[in-house]
Amino acid sequence: GNSVTQMEGPVTLSEEAFLTINCTYTATGYPSLFWYVQYPGEGLQLLLKATKADDKGSNKGFEATYRKETTSFHLEKGSVQVSDSAVYFCALSPGGATNKLIFGTGTLLAVQP
Amino acid sequence: DVKVTQSSRYLVKRTGEKVFLECVQDMDHENMFWYRQDPGLGLRLIYFSYDVKMKEKGDIPEGYSVSREKKERFSLILESASTNQTSMYLCASSPTRGQPLFLYTFGSGTRLTVV
Repeated sequence: GNSVTQMEGPVTLSEEAFLTINCTYTATGYPSLFWYVQYPGEGLQLLLKATKADDKGSNKGFEATYRKETTSFHLEKGSVQVSDSAVYFCALSPGGATNKLIFGTGTLLAVQP
Repeated sequence: DVKVTQSSRYLVKRTGEKVFLECVQDMDHENMFWYRQDPGLGLRLIYFSYDVKMKEKGDIPEGYSVSREKKERFSLILESASTNQTSMYLCASSPTRGQPLFLYTFGSGTRLTVV
């Protein structure tokens, strides 16, 4: 079946530290991969995406590369800010006729000044 | 600014009550979804709809039903609320099935407490 596994949080970092949040997936076929972010009190927003192997998604200084050989889509940022504090969700879409999203459990990131 | 609007931010209901959670989108999207969000479990799909009057079960449909009488509105119904349905409920919409999926738009969520 299709599933997403991401590292448990919370992740606590100081401002300007390097961030990595690990995400691995299991899927049949050729899924698309996503990172969503949920700021306090808000719904989820798409952060970045990759639709095929070796694609790199990027947005707001965040990056993730679709690695088919390791079935991974790790989220990275070189220098985090306090405003990046949020819950981050890795997700996949199996593709095909349906467009359901399958989410990981979410990782809480807390950035301290 | 396009959006998905959930009618209530917080709700408190009693065990056994029938509960309606409303979601409206103004983007003319065909697809609409209801998820529940629980700590340590992430988002789990309850029901989704890809057209008016169409619905399909997600991963955890037990104890829930849905209604989609108009394209812009998707309602989640708890027939007889129970304490294990205390959760954050998120509605989302996306354009036509088969299209790239990155255009999911989420509402801000309804935090439901069943006492």
